[in-house]
Formats: sequence, C-alpha cells, structure tokens
Amino acid sequence: QVHLVESGGGVVPPGRSLRLSCAASGFAFSTHGMHWVRQAPGKGLEWVAVIWYDGSKTYNGNSVKGRLTISRDNSKNTVFLQMNSLRAEDTTVYYCAKDRWDCVTNTCQFLDSWGQGTLVTVSS
Amino acid sequence: QPVLTQPPSASGTPGQRVTISCSGSSSNIGSNVVNWYQQLPGTAPKYLMYSNNQRPSGVPDRFSGSKSGTSASLAISGLQSEDEADYYCAAWDDSLNGVVFGGGTKLTVL
Repeated sequence: QVHLVESGGGVVPPGRSLRLSCAASGFAFSTHGMHWVRQAPGKGLEWVAVIWYDGSKTYNGNSVKGRLTISRDNSKNTVFLQMNSLRAEDTTVYYCAKDRWDCVTNTCQFLDSWGQGTLVTVSS
Repeated sequence: QPVLTQPPSASGTPGQRVTISCSGSSSNIGSNVVNWYQQLPGTAPKYLMYSNNQRPSGVPDRFSGSKSGTSASLAISGLQSEDEADYYCAAWDDSLNGVVFGGGTKLTVL
C-alpha cells in the first residue's frame, strides 16, 4: 500500500534554511503529482505547494512564495521541500501527500494519501 | 484567513445526522470539485470524500457530500463516537493556482 515518510524536520534558528524529504513507496511515484501541506499546532491545514508528476510545473501557496520550493527526484521516489529564510510562523508540522492524478489529466487537488508529518520548529 | 469558510464546531449525539457546510467563491468551489478530509486527534488527515460526493474505498456510506453553486456540505448520518474529528473541505482555486482549505470544523459526539 501507499507509504509516505517525511524526514528532515527539527529545530532551526530564524533566517536559516532546511530541506525536508518525503520518501514514497507502494505506488508508481513518477506518475503522480505530489503536495506539501502544513499545520501549525492547534490550527488548520495550509496548502504549501504542488509539483507535477514529471517535475515540469510547480505552484506555491501565497504565504510561502519565494521561500519554500518543492522539487522531486523520480529516480529516488522522493519529493523535497526546500525552506529558506525561515520565520517563526513556519513552525508547523509538514505533511507530504500524494495526488490521485498526474496534474495533467486532472487538476491536482485530490490528496488521497498522506504521510505522518515532520515537525519544524523555528526558534533561536 | 482560510479561503473557504467552515463553521468552527459542530456536534451531535450518537445516531444523529450532522451536516458541515463549506462556503467559497466562483474561483474555487464555483468552478472546481470539492474534496473533504477527516483528521482524527493526533493523526494525519485522511481522504474522506472527493469530487463533491464520491467516497474512497473504505469510507462508510454514512458519509455523503454535496455541492451547489459556491457552497458544499458534508453530511454524517448515524453518528458514531469514532466520527469525532476535525473535518476540512478543500478545492482548487483558479485565481490563486493552488489548493485552498477551509478552516476546519471540529465535530464533537456528545
């Protein structure tokens, strides 16, 4: 079955960078869009970014544009989130999620499997 | 502020029917399908309903969804204690070019 495992979270000082990874298994990774979604403690879900099945296109949420960048390596079944200039408000749990589609044949909005999340804490 | 609007809380007693609303605009719900996610306490979100009213495999038929214009709703009939969770609606937004979520509704089973 689908298995998504996030890693790379931890405590980082404000202004620094961090790269999250999400290792995928149990499905044809290279044929599905992938998302990152985050959730601050006690708060709701906030969509962060999506990447097309082949990495050809990405979209970001407005609150993270220019600072958080999604990418993927289909040879390693892994999706990444590069986070730069981290701020206190970036302190959240980051989930990666698989889309049901490749983002070309259908809009990428069907997050049908989720990882367990990795916590990022931005603090000095 | 979330783009989609949901009531922050809802409640019901076992066996009751509960409805959770989700309001958006022409750029999201008005022009795209709505999906729903269930988040049990301390766990990751789960895909609960897609394309307005379709249930993924394994989701009980007590859960149903609907959409009309720029609003959608999730109904849970025969409420059970294990339904106590946070529920989120979501849709693609053509203006923002991204997925937008509702703020979530905390369902309490009394």
